[in-house]
Amino acid sequence: GQNIDQPTEMTATEGAIVQINCTYQTSGFNGLFWYQQHAGEAPTFLSYNVLDGLEEKGRFSSFLSRSKGYSYLLLKELQMKDSASYLCAYSGNTPLVFGKGTRLSVIA
Amino acid sequence: DVKVTQSSRYLVKRTGEKVFLECVQDMDHENMFWYRQDPGLGLRLIYFSYDVKMKEKGDIPEGYSVSREKKERFSLILESASTNQTSMYLCASISGRSTYHEQFFGPGTRLTVL
Repeated sequence: GQNIDQPTEMTATEGAIVQINCTYQTSGFNGLFWYQQHAGEAPTFLSYNVLDGLEEKGRFSSFLSRSKGYSYLLLKELQMKDSASYLCAYSGNTPLVFGKGTRLSVIA
Repeated sequence: DVKVTQSSRYLVKRTGEKVFLECVQDMDHENMFWYRQDPGLGLRLIYFSYDVKMKEKGDIPEGYSVSREKKERFSLILESASTNQTSMYLCASISGRSTYHEQFFGPGTRLTVL
């Protein structure tokens, strides 16, 4: 079965902050990717964490704890255009392993 | 501007037909991948290739084959299409054998098998 897990759906209000969690279990772990995917489109790269800690990139930040097998994506000042699916994926000794994605709906 | 292109955005085929999905990347990447994406199941790896003429099975290779005759092109073949192969197909590429690099995706092909 799949050893990477993230919530299926989340809803948040425009202007708010939302945190999307991702847990994984694997050996040979290199790093953790986050991708954004709008409906009907291909995934696009958001972030990549190798070391523990928080990496900030504008309104988006990503956190990694290697010891806990845990990551989150933090989206601040939510905008309607942030409505999309967010995929976490870990890299290791094999091709990227993706979670099933979290569908985020931003409401007014 | 880096690019991964796929031959069709939308495709409709009949059960039993042979289907070719083409993917081309212009980044001189060694590694190329074919995924399918279905609601509730996420991205699932079908096949991947680390080099020309090399191929490796992914998680769900049954009913599919691939061809990598040139570095820039990776083809996915459905030998005899079936309705359960109706899906979104995504091609991706990445440079080097290291998985530290970002994976670039093509726009996807939405295949319907009737």
